[in-house]
Amino acid sequence: GEDVEQSLFLSVREGDSSVINCTYTDSSSTYLYWYKQEPGAGLQLLTYIFSNMDMKQDQRLTVLLNKKDKHLSLRIADTQTGDSAIYFCAEIFSSNTGKLIFGQGTTLQVKP
Amino acid sequence: DTAVSQTPKYLVTQMGNDKSIKCEQNLGHDTMYWYKQDSKKFLKIMFSYNNKELIINETVPNRFSPKSPDKAHLNLHINSLELGDSAVYFCASSRTSGRAIPEQFFGPGTRLTVL
Repeated sequence: GEDVEQSLFLSVREGDSSVINCTYTDSSSTYLYWYKQEPGAGLQLLTYIFSNMDMKQDQRLTVLLNKKDKHLSLRIADTQTGDSAIYFCAEIFSSNTGKLIFGQGTTLQVKP
Repeated sequence: DTAVSQTPKYLVTQMGNDKSIKCEQNLGHDTMYWYKQDSKKFLKIMFSYNNKELIINETVPNRFSPKSPDKAHLNLHINSLELGDSAVYFCASSRTSGRAIPEQFFGPGTRLTVL
């Protein structure tokens, strides 16, 4: 099936860690992605994880993948006001066509 | 600059009109996409072309017709515009051949408002 679910809203204080969660349904997905969308802008790829990995760290970003539960999370350490944006989880439905299935997006609000 | 570009950025038009949105990428990618983002920010793929060949055609009204004159361009033509077509349309591109990680690069979006 084609379904990716995310919670819609997260509010944190500057300096705290943010954790954005995502569940997906297609167990054959080879890559899972996190995209960031700032107001009035396009989507920017933040990071991705290959399906045979459990964790990937990239500076302030940590991605955790639980294949058994089909659960993906993005942790942003030391969240800054510039991190305020919509974060989209996506799975690749077909490597041949590149078709991505996106979650609904989680709006991250960072309070000073 | 290397990027995915779209024109126009904003498009305001009357119901029933026909309009086109253009997309160009200079990244040397072989696959291009059109996505629709609705007012709730939900993002859904509409079409995809690989080397000028249509490979993804989701459930989209026939009023929407993509055209790819070459690998670097994918245009979207919409006939008889309806109020429900109001959305932000994003173009994207990626390399799907070879062993490259399938990363999609997105354009800045075209905000279409149908009155």
